[in-house]
Amino acid sequence: SAVISQKPSRDICQRGTSLTIQCQVDSQVTMMFWYRQQPGQSLTLIATANQGSEATYESGFVIDKFPISRPNLTFSTLTVSNMSPEDSSIYLCSVEPRGLAAYNEQFFGPGTRLTVL
Amino acid sequence: AQSVTQLGSHVSVSEGALVLLRCNYSSSVPPYLFWYVQYPNQGLQLLLKYTTGATLVKGINGFEAEFKKSETSFHLTKPSAHMSDAAEYFCAVSEGAGGTSYGKLTFGQGTILTVHP
Repeated sequence: SAVISQKPSRDICQRGTSLTIQCQVDSQVTMMFWYRQQPGQSLTLIATANQGSEATYESGFVIDKFPISRPNLTFSTLTVSNMSPEDSSIYLCSVEPRGLAAYNEQFFGPGTRLTVL
Repeated sequence: AQSVTQLGSHVSVSEGALVLLRCNYSSSVPPYLFWYVQYPNQGLQLLLKYTTGATLVKGINGFEAEFKKSETSFHLTKPSAHMSDAAEYFCAVSEGAGGTSYGKLTFGQGTILTVHP
């Protein structure tokens, strides 16, 4: 298993600003993922962030809007840029501790609840 | 491509009654299937998973699910509901090894379970 923390846990931001969300894992993991959960909706994968390579974005998500860093095997950041009220969501990071060799399950952080005014 | 359909966005049961949450999936390769639970203002917690082997899988808190390939279903059950089971439940699918989306989770819309005294 893996223990994941996220900062901040929640924030209220003004439109046009940017927010960087941090995800810290208590062990080294290869695969990290960022999800968005809009109000009353399910989770949607934003991107996959593997250490040592550029993040891979899903359809509908672009790097200019959601830049991601993955400087090492225990940490990642997601930035929500030039925010609008439509970006109000819960943002969750997850990890797959065992990597592609033995894919099994993902563990999720507690989420960051973002409100954009 | 893969998709998940959860039948019923809200399910209400009495304490002690059977819980049945329905999940159907589509996948172009043999799937990995998961049920996650999300308690209010918390992240996702894995209840159980199916990857290979026995089609009836048991998870935490007395939940179990059965993979039925012919019906493309992975319904979640619990014989006797408890008040503490009230939460939102998400079914998710991932392509297994060999799939082009290996490691990526696709979530259903979620089912909110309410348990009445």
